[in-house]
Amino acid sequence: RKEVEQDPGPFNVPEGATVAFNCTYSNSASQSFFWYRQDCRKEPKLLMSVYSSGNEDGRFTAQLNRASQYISLLIRDSKLSDSATYLCVVNPRGAGNMLTFGGGTRLMVKP
Amino acid sequence: NAGVTQTPKFQVLKTGQSMTLQCAQDMNHNSMYWYRQDPGMGLRLIYYSASEGTTDKGEVPNGYNVSRLNKREFSLRLESAAPSQTSVYFCASSETNTGAYGYTFGSGTRLTVV
Repeated sequence: RKEVEQDPGPFNVPEGATVAFNCTYSNSASQSFFWYRQDCRKEPKLLMSVYSSGNEDGRFTAQLNRASQYISLLIRDSKLSDSATYLCVVNPRGAGNMLTFGGGTRLMVKP
Repeated sequence: NAGVTQTPKFQVLKTGQSMTLQCAQDMNHNSMYWYRQDPGMGLRLIYYSASEGTTDKGEVPNGYNVSRLNKREFSLRLESAAPSQTSVYFCASSETNTGAYGYTFGSGTRLTVV
């Protein structure tokens, strides 16, 4: 089983739609959680950290469910510019404390 | 504010050639990392340096060597390039080795080995 699993998609949605991605992680001791965004042929960029109480940044809402070991990202009022791959990232708190990256979920927002 | 700078951006090598990928960060971060990204494989850690003076293997270290030259710079060397090393290489840095604040990535090096 992969440490961080995501549905690769693609999710094809119209402009203005609400879309949600889920991600599951295997290490229950994981401490830090993030969503990264990666545009085609570009580097991953931090979108937002995910806190236990959930957090919101404009149209983006991230939730953490420790009991079920999953993280979600909700995007409201999708824009064309939201088209990208969204990477779920977890610090499994193992040896070296390396961040572990999911394979990403591709989102395509259509006019 | 440059962040993480990688050079070169593109490179084509012949099988057996060697090269060094350069990475420098200006954020005074302690930890630095080298990843490769292949279609369908996601990001895979090659080597990392938790702090100046230390380096450790990641998930896919074979065929690579690294040098943490100083706090700012972390280079990746391919001694004898193979077609299987065709990939996009990303350098990243973080404030601490706990990953608590995430990583900042460079813009990547697209390497093709023919």
